[in-house]
Amino acid sequence: NAGVTQTPKFRILKIGQSMTLQCTQDMNHNYMYWYRQDPGMGLKLIYYSVGAGITDKGEVPNGYNVSRSTTEDFPLRLELAAPSQTSVYFCASSFPGQGATEAFFGQGTRLTVV
Amino acid sequence: AQSVTQLDSQVPVFEEAPVELRCNYSSSVSVYLFWYVQYPNQGLQLLLKYLSGSTLVESINGFEAEFNKSQTSFHLRKPSVHISDTAEYFCAVSEYSTSYGKLTFGQGTILTVHP
Repeated sequence: NAGVTQTPKFRILKIGQSMTLQCTQDMNHNYMYWYRQDPGMGLKLIYYSVGAGITDKGEVPNGYNVSRSTTEDFPLRLELAAPSQTSVYFCASSFPGQGATEAFFGQGTRLTVV
Repeated sequence: AQSVTQLDSQVPVFEEAPVELRCNYSSSVSVYLFWYVQYPNQGLQLLLKYLSGSTLVESINGFEAEFNKSQTSFHLRKPSVHISDTAEYFCAVSEYSTSYGKLTFGQGTILTVHP
């Protein structure tokens, strides 16, 4: 099993550009998440999804959009990149149910906005 | 809403010494508790978790953590560390119900093991 796969691993964007961070999982997990990690701040939840067609905002959703058309894929869209979006982005997935709330993380996408 | 505080941002130790990474949380509801580890340039991996039952939980590589409800703490310990334990460690919580597995993380503690 590949687990959670994120692409690209690195990207440099200019201010105002747009891009989509891709995330796919092959574990048939219902729940998927996007977090951003900033030094000394831990990880913050951007958006999450509990199944295909269902998404909701997390703690820091401004400047981002998501969609969930299939169980496997959960792309994150940045429409107008800003320097404040320079961060490492992690996609994660989990299966619902007590005891199964362990999240499996991708390797991350390091994004720099200049 | 819940919050997690990791009391030390960096912990340097010598190889074979004991270590404790401290974690306190605040929540108005019951929570699950987790420790994740992140090695350089990698994603996060689950180290151990407390869901219910025994308040002392152990990982396969010698770490343990104890849930203390009265002190709302979940400190991580290892009696003898190795160079390979050098990593960043994150404490996290999620609510028992209606949280859909959403995690609230602490700020992280960088553990550096020196030879």
